Amino acid sequence: DTAVSQTPKYLVTQMGNDKSIKCEQNLGHDTMYWYKQDSKKFLKIMFSYNNKELIINETVPNRFSPKSPDKAHLNLHINSLELGDSAVYFCASSPNLGPLHFGNGTRLTVT
Amino acid sequence: ILNVEQSPQSLHVQEGDSTNFTCSFPSSNFYALHWYRWETAKSPEALFVMTLNGDEKKKGRISATLNTKEGYSYLYIKGSQPEDSATYLCAFRLNNDMRFGAGTRLTVKP
Repeated sequence: DTAVSQTPKYLVTQMGNDKSIKCEQNLGHDTMYWYKQDSKKFLKIMFSYNNKELIINETVPNRFSPKSPDKAHLNLHINSLELGDSAVYFCASSPNLGPLHFGNGTRLTVT
Repeated sequence: ILNVEQSPQSLHVQEGDSTNFTCSFPSSNFYALHWYRWETAKSPEALFVMTLNGDEKKKGRISATLNTKEGYSYLYIKGSQPEDSATYLCAFRLNNDMRFGAGTRLTVKP
């Protein structure tokens, strides 16, 4: 069974559209994260949630809104997509202060 | 601001060589330092979680040391093999905030 699964794996969409990326973990972890991998392959934290509560919200445009319906899910909704949003987005989870377990990434391409 | 620096950016070694690379991080408010291995087309996988000054961890041919007072950690690979080729990331944890370095890209030539 996949521990951290994110869908879709690939997402191609046009500028101005609204899209969501889903993330689910079956590890019973309390903390979930979203990272953006930039063009230099650097992993930059976007959000961190602990038990459905937002902990970290980096300087991410308001167009990005995380939603955590329960502690096993952390979805990422993006409004009014821009070309610069094209990247690979990684979801991860961890037991409170333990190592991160990553999903396989979602490659978002905005045309 | 949590700046995590890794060096070198990339490294090419021959099979059988031993190698090491560095991660530096803020020495104040230390909580934990993580090392991850990231193979191409895969997701990062945790190697070590280090919390105590002077910690040494080992997994097979890979080991890591930690100096929290001066803010650095070393990762060592003994007798590199082609399958060790990957990007090695370190990450500094402060509570629920995990900041990654840019990584060291290791290529081991047969």
